[in-house]
Amino acid sequence: QSALTQPRSVSGSPGQSVTISCTGTSSDVGSYNYVSWYQHHPGKAPKLMIYDVSQRPSGVPDRFSGSKSGNTASLTISGLQAEDEADFYCCSYAGSWVFGGGTKLTVL
Amino acid sequence: EVQLVESGGGLVKPGGSLRLSCAASGFIFSNAWMSWVRQTPGKGLEWVGRMKGKTDGGTTDYAAPVKGRFTISRDASKNTLYLQMNSLKTEDTAVYYCTSLLRFSHAFDSWGLGTMVTVSA
Repeated sequence: QSALTQPRSVSGSPGQSVTISCTGTSSDVGSYNYVSWYQHHPGKAPKLMIYDVSQRPSGVPDRFSGSKSGNTASLTISGLQAEDEADFYCCSYAGSWVFGGGTKLTVL
Repeated sequence: EVQLVESGGGLVKPGGSLRLSCAASGFIFSNAWMSWVRQTPGKGLEWVGRMKGKTDGGTTDYAAPVKGRFTISRDASKNTLYLQMNSLKTEDTAVYYCTSLLRFSHAFDSWGLGTMVTVSA
């Protein structure tokens, strides 16, 4: 499996919305609804933000939402806050797991 | 509260071995599906391997780059997960994270802080 494709960086001002894309293939993202998203502040433990494409674990703000269309999944963060600045990774399960290369979110 | 604490990382020469440990607390460890994920320097995350819970057979699966060299095991009496790494290569240099798995969603729901493994002559 090849890594999923994410933009290297995105940015937005506080209060704005940003969307991070995650493109796979018809063998992974396109075939299974097992897409998850992780937030990683360097030096801290990664945190699960979205699973099953659009489900939020308990405690994750509803500012974070996920969706999928065809072979591309997306994470949207609305009402950006300074503490959202982090690296975000998507992941797809298709018999084994494949991650995206990561996207650095900068809050301007 | 779920806690996962990795240990055992360090510097090892190519061809050498290392065993990582992950101390788990806050959940029923013996039945949990567990996994190791690594992050190579300057790169993203990579799945290493998974162990199913005891009631699901406790079987293991590995990513192609580590299959035949890495082995996951657990000691339920110590609430500890292990990753035995043999025949280490320079490309195995990474931060290794211990994670628990959401069984039916295949998502990594809790993570440790990681332990650094450096393979270098």
